[in-house]
Amino acid sequence: KQEVTQIPAALSVPEGENLVLNCSFTDSAIYNLQWFRQDPGKGLTSLLLIQSSQREQTSGRLNASLDKSSGRSTLYIAASQPGDSATYLCAPGGAGNKLTFGGGTRVLVKP
Amino acid sequence: GAVVSQHPSWVICKSGTSVKIECRSLDFQATTMFWYRQFPKQSLMLMATSNEGSKATYEQGVEKDKFLINHASLTLSTLTVTSAHPEDSSFYICSLRRESTGELFFGEGSRLTVL
Repeated sequence: KQEVTQIPAALSVPEGENLVLNCSFTDSAIYNLQWFRQDPGKGLTSLLLIQSSQREQTSGRLNASLDKSSGRSTLYIAASQPGDSATYLCAPGGAGNKLTFGGGTRVLVKP
Repeated sequence: GAVVSQHPSWVICKSGTSVKIECRSLDFQATTMFWYRQFPKQSLMLMATSNEGSKATYEQGVEKDKFLINHASLTLSTLTVTSAHPEDSSFYICSLRRESTGELFFGEGSRLTVL
């Protein structure tokens, strides 16, 4: 059974700092891995999708890396802004494209 | 724009009543949709996989007779919480998969409160 751990559980930084969010998973037999953002009381917004054959994906200030063999993914957010405050969820996709979610990292970017 | 539309966004009902939540795909036809539940300060837990034209596949521990799923078309899946009780109060979120990439998109969620 896939288990996903996200560290740290919470992060508070001043505006402008770079963010590093870590995700580890126990079963490396994944098809892909997605990073999501969830605002309080809202659904999930897809940020990045990394296929199992890829090492990283980039979108604007976001960059996600994937080391499938060691069961790790890292989300980097450059030059953080208050609008980046949210919970970030990592979810590796296994058979049937079932996602297993980590507990999330709650980010607060202070102006 | 939004890929998934979920309705209602919140609902309050009395114990013993049934509640239906709709999930619509706005951007593409979705053969497979997923229903998740999220309790406060917890992560999402997959409840069931909804397959168009066939029976849903439920995760272990999820009562199929309590959480009825219908996926009658390629753009609509519904989740009905039957005879709801206070312990069913939760945030229910649907998602659907873009087959070409495997990427999943989520609805805005439906907050159910059972009194």
